[in-house]
Amino acid sequence: DIQLTQSPSSLSASVGDRVTITCRASHSINVFLNWYQQKPGEAPALLIYSSSSLSSGVPPRFSGSGSGTGFTLTISSLQPEDFATYYCQQTFSTPTFGPGTRVDI
Amino acid sequence: QVHLVQSGADVKKPGASVKVSCKASGHTSPAFGISWVRQAPGQGLEWMGWIGTYSDKINFAQKFQGRLTMTIDTSTTTAYMELRSLRSDDTAVYYCARGRAVAERYTMDVWGQGTTVSVSS
Repeated sequence: DIQLTQSPSSLSASVGDRVTITCRASHSINVFLNWYQQKPGEAPALLIYSSSSLSSGVPPRFSGSGSGTGFTLTISSLQPEDFATYYCQQTFSTPTFGPGTRVDI
Repeated sequence: QVHLVQSGADVKKPGASVKVSCKASGHTSPAFGISWVRQAPGQGLEWMGWIGTYSDKINFAQKFQGRLTMTIDTSTTTAYMELRSLRSDDTAVYYCARGRAVAERYTMDVWGQGTTVSVSS
């Protein structure tokens, strides 16, 4: 299986901050990398697919980039509703998720 | 818009089986298939498997081979996930989720609300 690591595992930020989360794959996965947001007690929600494509209804302050083994999720100006846990997922082979990055105040 | 509604919480004893349902409603598109993902308490997400809408294609995570059965009843637009030989570490919230597109079957853009399965003696 392809392993995904995320950094940091958690971070504290303030409203208006620019936040960047990194996801690294153990093998090249081209651009087969998605990002999900999960709030406590809720199901995950798709934010970014194919490394950089914004899912329908997701605000443009979210962006993704990368290819091969290194990827980033950026929130340009953190909003109160963005405090959540973020997971990357690879779909190049049998899907796996990263361990998650918790973003809180 | 598609909605996925899952069955209610369940409590099982070790060694038993559990079957979770996931009903699609709204504007359903038949070609995307359904993934099952679980999340143990306080833990991350774990992809379990995917089934094509017409049950013609199935893919499992290796660790669930032999214990996991996924089916789809197209007449009722309901997907089912059955996990057998339950252990305490199968205690988790189980989610169904729809594949985003035919070529992006494992990219999940619509999720059920989750079903809590507790395994305890």
